Amino acid sequence: SYELTQPSSVSVSPGQTARITCSGDLLAKKYARWFQQKPGQAPVVVIYKDSERPSGIPERFSGSSSGTTVTLTISGAQVEDEADYYCYSAADNNLWVFGGGTKLTVL
Amino acid sequence: EVQLVQSGAEVKKPGESLKISCKGSGYSFTSYSIGWVRQMPGKGLEWMGIIYPGDSDTRYSPSFQGQVTISADKSISTAYLQWSSLKASDTAMYYCASTIAAADYWGQGTLVTVSS
Repeated sequence: SYELTQPSSVSVSPGQTARITCSGDLLAKKYARWFQQKPGQAPVVVIYKDSERPSGIPERFSGSSSGTTVTLTISGAQVEDEADYYCYSAADNNLWVFGGGTKLTVL
Repeated sequence: EVQLVQSGAEVKKPGESLKISCKGSGYSFTSYSIGWVRQMPGKGLEWMGIIYPGDSDTRYSPSFQGQVTISADKSISTAYLQWSSLKASDTAMYYCASTIAAADYWGQGTLVTVSS
C-alpha cells in the first residue's frame, strides 16, 4: 500500500515563505492535492493537479512537483494561514491516500 | 456552483444503526464518484470507500470493508454511509468528497458521536 509522508510541523514568521513537503512513490505517477483544515472546519482544497489553484484561493498558495515529492509553498504567509495542511492523492483503484498532515504555525 | 451538503450531527448509542447522507448539486451526480473519509478526534484522515452513482459500483478500503455500507440514490442525487451496529470507536467526523472535472469538492462533514 502507498504512504505519503509530511513533516509534522512547520513554523514561520508572518511574511516569510512556508514550504511543506509531501513524499511518496505514488506521487511519481499520480497528481497530488493539498487541503487546508482549520480547527472545527471542513477541508478547503488549496491546490489540485500538483500546482493548480482553485478559484478563490489566494495567489500566495502554489504547488510544485519533482519526482516523488510535491511541495506546497505559501509565499508571504499570513496569520490566517495557520492551519493543518494535508497532501493526498488517488491510487489506481480510486482509493485516496492521505499524508499525516502538517501543522503550520505563523507566529 | 458545485456543492456537497451533508446531513447533520448525530448522537447514537452503541449497537444502534445509522445512515448519514451527502447531497450533490450543481453537477451531473451520476457522472462522478463520491467517496467517504473518516477523521477521528485529533487524528488524520482515512479513506473509507467510494461509489460511482451512475451504476452503483462501490469499492471499500480494506480497513472498512464489512464495517460500513456505501450507497447512492441517483433520483435525489444523494450518497449514503451507513452502519448496522455502531461502536464507540465509530465516533468521528465523516466527510464526503468528489473529484469533478479534475477539482475536488468536500462536504462540510457530519459529526457522529457514539456513547452510552
